Amino acid sequence: DIQMTQSPSTLSASVGDRVTITCRASQSIRSWLAWYQQKPGKAPKLLIYQTSTLESGVPSRFSGSGSGIDFTLTISSLQPDDFATYYCQHYNSYPWTFGQGTKVEFK
Amino acid sequence: EVHLVESGGALVQPGGSLRLTCAASGFTFSGYEMNWLRQAPGKGLEWVANVSEIGTVTHYVGSVKGRFTISRDNARNSLFLQMNSLRAEDTAIYYCAYGGSCVNDVCQSAAYFRHWGQGTLVTVSS
Repeated sequence: DIQMTQSPSTLSASVGDRVTITCRASQSIRSWLAWYQQKPGKAPKLLIYQTSTLESGVPSRFSGSGSGIDFTLTISSLQPDDFATYYCQHYNSYPWTFGQGTKVEFK
Repeated sequence: EVHLVESGGALVQPGGSLRLTCAASGFTFSGYEMNWLRQAPGKGLEWVANVSEIGTVTHYVGSVKGRFTISRDNARNSLFLQMNSLRAEDTAIYYCAYGGSCVNDVCQSAAYFRHWGQGTLVTVSS
């Protein structure tokens, strides 16, 4: 199985900060990576797929990059609604797996 | 509007069985692969299983192979997860979900998850 490792596990930030979350795969997943945002008590929300394609309706302050084994989710200017937990997910091969999550909290 | 509504979650003893249902509406259910995912309390997300558009091909995460069975009924727009030999580590919120889109009545599944239900809680405990 392909293991996905996110860093950091927790990130303390302020409104307006530029935030970067990284996701590393245990082997190449080409560009088959998605990012999700989850708030407490809610189902995850798709943000980005195929590494860098922004889901419809997602603000342009979110962006994704990378290929192979190293990937990045960037929030260019953190907004109050962005405090949440973020997960990466590969879909290169079965079983599809997720990173352990990165919680973005108030500094 | 897409609606996915899971049901069937309950408290069950270790070794017991449970059948989850996901009722789908607002989209061409038969046009998409469908998935079950889960999230243990306070933990991360785990993809559990998926089933092809007509139900003939299934895939599972290793920890549930031989114990869980995913199936679907396209006539009733419903997705199922039969869970047998339940263990404490199966305790989680179970979500049904799918990805992809239809363009000019041609639907293509995707292996990411655009639409999710609200989840149903399964607790395995004596």
